[in-house]
This record gives sequence, structure tokens and C-alpha cells, in this order.
Amino acid sequence: DAGITQSPRHKVTETGTPVTLRCHQTENHRYMYWYRQDPGHGLRLIHYSYGVKDTDKGEVSDGYSVSRSKTEDFLLTLESATSSQTSVYFCAISDGAGGTPNYGYTFGSGTRLTVV
Amino acid sequence: AQSVAQPEDQVNVAEGNPLTVKCTYSVSGNPYLFWYVQYPNRGLQFLLKYITGDNLVKGSYGFEAEFNKSQTSFHLKKPSALVSDSALYFCAVRALESGYSTLTFGKGTMLLVSP
Repeated sequence: DAGITQSPRHKVTETGTPVTLRCHQTENHRYMYWYRQDPGHGLRLIHYSYGVKDTDKGEVSDGYSVSRSKTEDFLLTLESATSSQTSVYFCAISDGAGGTPNYGYTFGSGTRLTVV
Repeated sequence: AQSVAQPEDQVNVAEGNPLTVKCTYSVSGNPYLFWYVQYPNRGLQFLLKYITGDNLVKGSYGFEAEFNKSQTSFHLKKPSALVSDSALYFCAVRALESGYSTLTFGKGTMLLVSP
């Protein structure tokens, strides 16, 4: 998707290991989000950021941490991966409640994470 | 708290027939409402939105949605389905006036259009 990239696209890791997923944007948008997608649950918000070094928890934040040291990058870290964190992770961006083309989000292509 | 319900896990329709994917919402105050579509192994793509104004909203690929405030619904519709419309559809809501808030998504509805 234009202006937002996620890396890696696929990852297999072992239980108990740390994992970091990266979201990079070139749109200079203020807000960035991490969601996870699971069958039967839709998309659930993990963490979001409303500016550099400003982050907040979402609905399912336990076991996850985030960092945003510059506008373009938002990192999601699983400190000690568990099998329940096997999921597809999506990053999204927006530039706020007003002045945006659609008031919604632009999504990345996702990272498929498998914890074995 | 805001929430979205998509009561159907799957909707089946024959090509050429009209389709409806249902969505109801709960939010404090007036809502922003959205529909997104997800094709296999892809991210979510924006289809259409309701912010204010006309209750019938037109979006991409011939889709439209009707906002009904009294029924707190925002159903997605298309007059004539295509096989290529087969995908996973998500409804989402955010509050309009409570400062900044995040999007809350429904669980998704799989649309299958048969030839």
C-alpha cells in the first residue's frame, strides 16, 4: 500500500524469543496504529501513537510494547513471544480527526507471525 | 465505549443479484462510519465513509451504504454482485465529537459471490 510498509512480511519464531515488527510511513502522518487480525475477532487495536514518543494502549496490549522515536517509524515488540500471539499484524496511519481525505486509516500489507 | 456488530459471518449471493452486508454500531454522540474490504493476503482497503449529510453514501467499485440513525445501522449494498467482489468486509466506527478516538472494527463478513 502506498506510503506505508511493514517488515518483515512473514516471520516464524520460537516461544519465549523477542520479536520486533516495523512499520514505516512516508506520508508524515501524525497517528500510527498496530492491530492484530484473528479469525472470529476481526481487527483489535494493540497500541497506537499520536506523535513522536507519545503512545497509548489499545484493547489487547498485554505482552506487547511499542516505540516511536521518529515520525516515520512505529515499532511493535513482543518481549517474549507466546503461541497466542500467532496472528497477522497490521499497521495503519492517519493524520487525525480533521483535514484528512477520508477521516479513516491507510493500512499496510500486514506481517504474518507464527510462534512455534 | 464504541462497538460494531456484523451479525453474519458469511453472505452468499449469486452473480448479478443484489447484495447486502449488515452492520450495526454503538457510539456516544454522532458517528464516523466506514467500510473496508480485504482481499486474500492483503491489507484493508477503504470503500466508503459516512461523516455527515446524505444518508446514502456511494463508494468504490459500485458499493453504497445507507446510514440509519434510528436503527444505528450502516448496511453495505451493491445492486449487482460480481464474482470479483468476493472478499472479507469490515465495518468500523469512531466517535465524531469526543476529541480524537480510534477506529473500532467489527469481526468481518465474508462475501462469496458464485458465478
